[in-house]
Amino acid sequence: GENVEQHPSTLSVQEGDSAVIKCTYSDSASNYFPWYKQELGKGPQLIIDIRSNVGEKKDQRIAVTLNKTAKHFSLHITETQPEDSAVYFCAASTNRDDKIIFGKGTRLHILP
Amino acid sequence: EPEVTQTPSHQVTQMGQEVILRCVPISNHLYFYWYRQILGQKVEFLVSFYNNEISEKSEIFDDQFSVERPDGSNFTLKIRSTKLEDSAMYFCASRNVWGAIGELFFGEGSRLTVL
Repeated sequence: GENVEQHPSTLSVQEGDSAVIKCTYSDSASNYFPWYKQELGKGPQLIIDIRSNVGEKKDQRIAVTLNKTAKHFSLHITETQPEDSAVYFCAASTNRDDKIIFGKGTRLHILP
Repeated sequence: EPEVTQTPSHQVTQMGQEVILRCVPISNHLYFYWYRQILGQKVEFLVSFYNNEISEKSEIFDDQFSVERPDGSNFTLKIRSTKLEDSAMYFCASRNVWGAIGELFFGEGSRLTVL
């Protein structure tokens, strides 16, 4: 089955700097890669996603990249703000299975 | 904005007791899910449900677990005889027909503590 690895587990960046979180996946059939943000005491919330037919997608300060050949995908947050502090999960899914497989999460701290 | 709601927010139970966690998915969604998150760990898939039947389940979802959509709005997860290792945050999620498999809307979770 699919296995999603995520790094780093913890990331601290100065406010205003950029943050990058990286994931790899194992199942070449995976074709949809959502990113979720989980704030303390809340459920995960979808913030951006990318499909396997594109290499990059951007939404304001957030961008995702996908390298299908290497089975890598990344989340980039620019001009980080205090409200970006949260746990971020990458995930992968296929058309074959009705489920998504999450990575272990990255706890992002934005330092003042 | 429509949201997935879950009750209770926190339940404490004795080992061996039955627990029912309740969810009200977003009204026009047709696919429903339960995931769980043991404290500090990743979110794990339990089960997916569509058209009144289970479409997929994980190894975690053994005979002690069941799901039901008893009416047009609720979606429940039952654990028949709870074990200590069932202590976790349980998240319900839903998606609509047009959403990708990973475009899930999660509730805020039900924390289950088994003593």
